[in-house]
Amino acid sequence: NAGVTQTPKFRILKIGQSMTLQCTQDMNHNYMYWYRQDPGMGLKLIYYSVGAGITDKGEVPNGYNVSRSTTEDFPLRLELAAPSQTSVYFCASSYGQGSQPQHFGDGTRLSIL
Amino acid sequence: QQQVKQSPQSLIVQKGGISIINCAYENTAFDYFPWYQQFPGKGPALLIAIRPDVSEKKEGRFTISFNKSAKQFSLHIMDSQPGDSATYFCAASRNSGYALNFGKGTSLLVTP
Repeated sequence: NAGVTQTPKFRILKIGQSMTLQCTQDMNHNYMYWYRQDPGMGLKLIYYSVGAGITDKGEVPNGYNVSRSTTEDFPLRLELAAPSQTSVYFCASSYGQGSQPQHFGDGTRLSIL
Repeated sequence: QQQVKQSPQSLIVQKGGISIINCAYENTAFDYFPWYQQFPGKGPALLIAIRPDVSEKKEGRFTISFNKSAKQFSLHIMDSQPGDSATYFCAASRNSGYALNFGKGTSLLVTP
């Protein structure tokens, strides 16, 4: 059971480039999330989805877009990458909302130079 | 604005000692308080969680203490081991909500 899989693990982008961070889960979870983790700042929610075709903004959505066409996949799109988007990005999923445990992938380390 | 405040930022404990990490929150609507453990290069993993209807929850060497009136909760790691060296995050959320509000994390080092 792979759980939550994120690709790529590392990436370097130039300012203004775009890319998609991939996330897939095999637990048949309806709820999926994208967080960013900056040093000493904890994790902040970028976007979340409560099911295929339904997404909503989290605390820090600016500069990102998401889509959810299937239960398994929840890609995060960066358009016009900026240095402020240098971070570690984590995808997570859960069976339900609130007190249901969130299962995290191992992250994508993204540097924008 | 950080909805959950966590301290200390870093902690060094000798093997066999007790590690204590504290968190405080303001939003009284929060009713779920998990702790996550993160090893380098890995994603956070749920360690233990508590609801406000109990004051303490214990799982093995890990205990959450919860003080509803003070809006504080803490993680105690008894008999700390070098393998416990990791970053620990407290979090809070509403049972009806989606977002986990994380503290900034505590880097724990347990020395042999």
